[in-house]
Amino acid sequence: DTAVSQTPKYLVTQMGNDKSIKCEQNLGHDTMYWYKQDSKKFLKIMFSYNNKELIINETVPNRFSPKSPDKAHLNLHINSLELGDSAVYFCASSPILPSSYNEQFFGPGTRLTVL
Amino acid sequence: AQSVTQLDSQVPVFEEAPVELRCNYSSSVSVYLFWYVQYPNQGLQLLLKYLSGSTLVKGINGFEAEFNKSQTSFHLRKPSVHISDTAEYFCAVMGGYNKLIFGAGTRLAVHP
Repeated sequence: DTAVSQTPKYLVTQMGNDKSIKCEQNLGHDTMYWYKQDSKKFLKIMFSYNNKELIINETVPNRFSPKSPDKAHLNLHINSLELGDSAVYFCASSPILPSSYNEQFFGPGTRLTVL
Repeated sequence: AQSVTQLDSQVPVFEEAPVELRCNYSSSVSVYLFWYVQYPNQGLQLLLKYLSGSTLVKGINGFEAEFNKSQTSFHLRKPSVHISDTAEYFCAVMGGYNKLIFGAGTRLAVHP
């Protein structure tokens, strides 16, 4: 019944490693997003995809690469992890863009800790 | 550019007391405003939204918010809070391409 799911829920890794976070939605939505929540709880958009096409890229370092194999999945791959990448990453989805409001549904988050 | 300011980082309140969480926004286009709640170690849940029409918006769990265009505010209220309302509350405005622009959050701590 889960609408937006993310794996893993927790991820602990060493600096310099490469890791991926997966997101899946079963709502039939066309648009998916990644948000980052830092240690002060501040939430900021990173990316959005609409039908596998990149729509938003908010000046995120090139080490972050989103990949959307189909419209139900949006994965986030991070290369050469840095301490500052430690955060909670939220996936979200919404129905079609872009002209009118569409509610976003959030996943449970992935807490990434870089040591 | 749109932005959101949540005026209080923390709001302590006693159980059954009323509460108001303040939010001011800046937007040069049509305004769509939201309040989300984040319970400890969980994702975000939509409390309520303002898209158009009545300026008083009712949401889940007894919360309501009032859109005030002249004061560019969208404050969240509840007449009587419960311990279970303890959470982080985020005000957001919708930007271009449907992205949400969040405020810094307000931690509501309800004490017995």
